[in-house]
Amino acid sequence: NAGVTQTPKFQVLKTGQSMTLQCAQDMNHEYMSWYRQDPGMGLRLIHYSVGAGITDQGEVPNGYNVSRSTTEDFPLRLLSAAPSQTSVYFCASSRTTGMHYGYTFGSGTRLTVV
Amino acid sequence: RKEVEQDPGPFNVPEGATVAFNCTYSNSASQSFFWYRQDCRKEPKLLMSVYSSGNEDGRFTAQLNRASQYISLLIRDSKLSDSATYLCVVNSNQAGTALIFGKGTTLSVSS
Repeated sequence: NAGVTQTPKFQVLKTGQSMTLQCAQDMNHEYMSWYRQDPGMGLRLIHYSVGAGITDQGEVPNGYNVSRSTTEDFPLRLLSAAPSQTSVYFCASSRTTGMHYGYTFGSGTRLTVV
Repeated sequence: RKEVEQDPGPFNVPEGATVAFNCTYSNSASQSFFWYRQDCRKEPKLLMSVYSSGNEDGRFTAQLNRASQYISLLIRDSKLSDSATYLCVVNSNQAGTALIFGKGTTLSVSS
């Protein structure tokens, strides 16, 4: 039981490049989400999904796309990387939404855009 | 007013001390509350949920005051291994689809 797996762990991109951050969970969790964490800002929600085929925007969705074709996978796509997207990205999942269900986080992807 | 506000810290305490962290939230409709722990350069991990009646897990006690929109975490008999950043987390909507994280309070326990 691996939990939430994120790849890659580290990535350097040039401005304007695109890439996909991968997230997979093996716990059959309905809910998955992407957060970014910046110094002094805390974690901010980018996009989330309450089940396969259903996604919605969070607090900071601009510049990112997501899709959820399976329960297990929730990739995050950077369309045209900008230095402002330099951050640590965390994927999280939960059995379902609602009261008292905390999140399981992946170990993060550290992204630098130059 | 920010959605979730915490004491910024850092809190520097000796081993064995009792330390308390506070958190306030702005959305009175929030239903779920949590404390997470985050070690340096690691992912956040759920420490405990916070229930209306208050709850305890070993040396950790969490309290919720809905009227004041205030959450607290008490750590008794601090250990070196408790050194971390503690994140206060609140549901921002009834559907529970968006947890809002505070910026965290850093605790450093020294021998």
